[in-house]
Amino acid sequence: AQSVSQHNHHVILSEAASLELGCNYSYGGTVNLFWYVQYPGQHLQLLLKYFSGDPLVKGIKGFEAEFIKSKFSFNLRKPSVQWSDTAEYFCAVMLSGSARQLTFGSGTQLTVLP
Amino acid sequence: ETGVTQTPRHLVMGMTNKKSLKCEQHLGHNAMYWYKQSAKKPLELMFVYNFKEQTENNSVPSRFSPECPNSSHLFLHLHTLQPEDSALYLCASSQDPPNGELFFGEGSRLTVL
Repeated sequence: AQSVSQHNHHVILSEAASLELGCNYSYGGTVNLFWYVQYPGQHLQLLLKYFSGDPLVKGIKGFEAEFIKSKFSFNLRKPSVQWSDTAEYFCAVMLSGSARQLTFGSGTQLTVLP
Repeated sequence: ETGVTQTPRHLVMGMTNKKSLKCEQHLGHNAMYWYKQSAKKPLELMFVYNFKEQTENNSVPSRFSPECPNSSHLFLHLHTLQPEDSALYLCASSQDPPNGELFFGEGSRLTVL
């Protein structure tokens, strides 16, 4: 079965620092990749997604992620974080094919200090 | 406002109680999901319904019983739960076939005493 690993459980940054959250998956076939975000007290929502094409995808609020197939990775980045980026971030993978269910990582809590 | 509404937002129950969680979506989707979210663990997919038919049951104990009377409503009936079942239960919906974009509710925080 496929799995998704997010190695950083909690990241603490100061405002304006650059962010990179790691995500690795274990599956050799064609995958679709996602980052979801959960702001404090709010619902989980889609941040960005990769299906095909340009491996560098841009999402909302200045976030981007790069798919590196050879490394089975889909890391999330933002050049300069803000206090309002404090949230929990979840990487997710969906296999192409009949199952088409999302497998989530365990999440990374990002705390941005003002 | 996400278009997916869950009630109750918080629930405390004893191990012998019977209670239900409710989810309603106003997005016109045909697929609905129950996920369990526990601290520091990946979201666990519990059940999937497509067009009211259950298409996924990820080895969930029988003390959790889903019900999907129509494409807009999803229930999770709870009975004789264990303290380790305490978690945030998330409902989500999506188009069918799914494209990976799920719309989540805010969750029902369940505490089992």
